[in-house]
Amino acid sequence: QKEVEQNSGPLSVPEGAIASLNCTYSDRGSQSFFWYRQYSGKSPELIMFIYSNGDKEDGRFTAQLNKASQYVSLLIRDSQPSDSATYLCAVIGGSNYKLTFGKGTLLTVNP
Amino acid sequence: ETGVTQSPTHLIKTRGQQVTLRCSSQSGHNTVSWYQQALGQGPQFIFQYYREEENGRGNFPPRFSGLQFPNYSSELNVNALELDDSALYLCASSPMAGMNTEAFFGQGTRLTVV
Repeated sequence: QKEVEQNSGPLSVPEGAIASLNCTYSDRGSQSFFWYRQYSGKSPELIMFIYSNGDKEDGRFTAQLNKASQYVSLLIRDSQPSDSATYLCAVIGGSNYKLTFGKGTLLTVNP
Repeated sequence: ETGVTQSPTHLIKTRGQQVTLRCSSQSGHNTVSWYQQALGQGPQFIFQYYREEENGRGNFPPRFSGLQFPNYSSELNVNALELDDSALYLCASSPMAGMNTEAFFGQGTRLTVV
């Protein structure tokens, strides 16, 4: 079983729609959860982090965490073409505080 | 801009050669982690340095080694390069080694082994 799994893409949404990105993790002891955005050929950029169960909102982005279900999601409201990128889910768990990444979901927002 | 800088940005090496990649962490950050990202994959953890000591290592062979200096900058060394080492190498700095700590990436070094 992969440690961090993301919904298979690519995901395509029209401009203005809500994009929903999902992630599950296998280590029940995981404490910290991150969403990174990566444009093609660039490095990952941190856009959201969440540590507690529930929702966390930052502008158009909402991260949702459910530790009982080992599930974390990212909602992007009013999607823009500039949101088109690969979104990486990452989890910290264990003693050396490494980030374990999913494979990423490619999001395309169509004008 | 994250304040994390890596050099060089691109590099081409021949199989069997050795390479050194460099990273300057963001001001105030004492923890540096290195990741390898192959095409179409998520980054894979190589190792982490906290206050000049290795603080964990991923599933990479010993020919991948590192250093952290007193100013918290870091190097990644790879010996006996193989074709499969071709990837984007990412350095991430954090203000501390801990669970609830955000990591910020540099722009990466694209290594091509031919």
